[in-house]
Amino acid sequence: EAGVAQSPRYKIIEKRQSVAFWCNPISGHATLYWYQQILGQGPKLLIQFQNNGVVDDSQLPKDRFSAERLKGVDSTLKIQPAKLEDSAVYLCASSPQGQENTEAFFGQGTRLTVV
Amino acid sequence: AQSVTQLGSHVSVSEGALVLLRCNYSSSVPPYLFWYVQYPNQGLQLLLKYTTGATLVKGINGFEAEFKKSETSFHLTKPSAHMSDAAEYFCAVSRGFKTIFGAGTRLFVKA
Repeated sequence: EAGVAQSPRYKIIEKRQSVAFWCNPISGHATLYWYQQILGQGPKLLIQFQNNGVVDDSQLPKDRFSAERLKGVDSTLKIQPAKLEDSAVYLCASSPQGQENTEAFFGQGTRLTVV
Repeated sequence: AQSVTQLGSHVSVSEGALVLLRCNYSSSVPPYLFWYVQYPNQGLQLLLKYTTGATLVKGINGFEAEFKKSETSFHLTKPSAHMSDAAEYFCAVSRGFKTIFGAGTRLFVKA
């Protein structure tokens, strides 16, 4: 079974530029998560999708971050404009259809450096 | 509201020694608990999980954890550390569709 795929693995941009990350979850997984992991901290949930609907985006900085999940499969996360404090690893994860309290399956992440 | 506290951001053990990583949680209702491991430049991988039933949970790579409701703890242990166990470990609590992660504990294993 293929895992969660993310691209790119690494990205370096200047502040005020824009950037986009892509995620393809495990086939058949209805729930998709985007987490931000700042160095030395645990993952923080940015947004959670159930199919193509948003379940939780309470910690997404909506003035600069946006995410979509067209057709309920893959997803993109965009930052525009980027700030220095956005430097982090962005992790995508997925979990099976409609299962509460189940574990999430993570991709390798995208390491973003804003200079 | 749910929260997770991992005691000690860094733990260092000798190869062959006991590994003990501490996790305490707070939850208004019985939670589901997880331990994940993260190797350098990798995503998180599930080590083990507690849902219901037996409070001692066995996971991969020889790790186990015990759910103690009275102490609101879910500490991770391994009897004998191996060099390959060096990684970052995250405790997480879940209720419904929401999961909260602790800040993580980095495990160092000395030869």
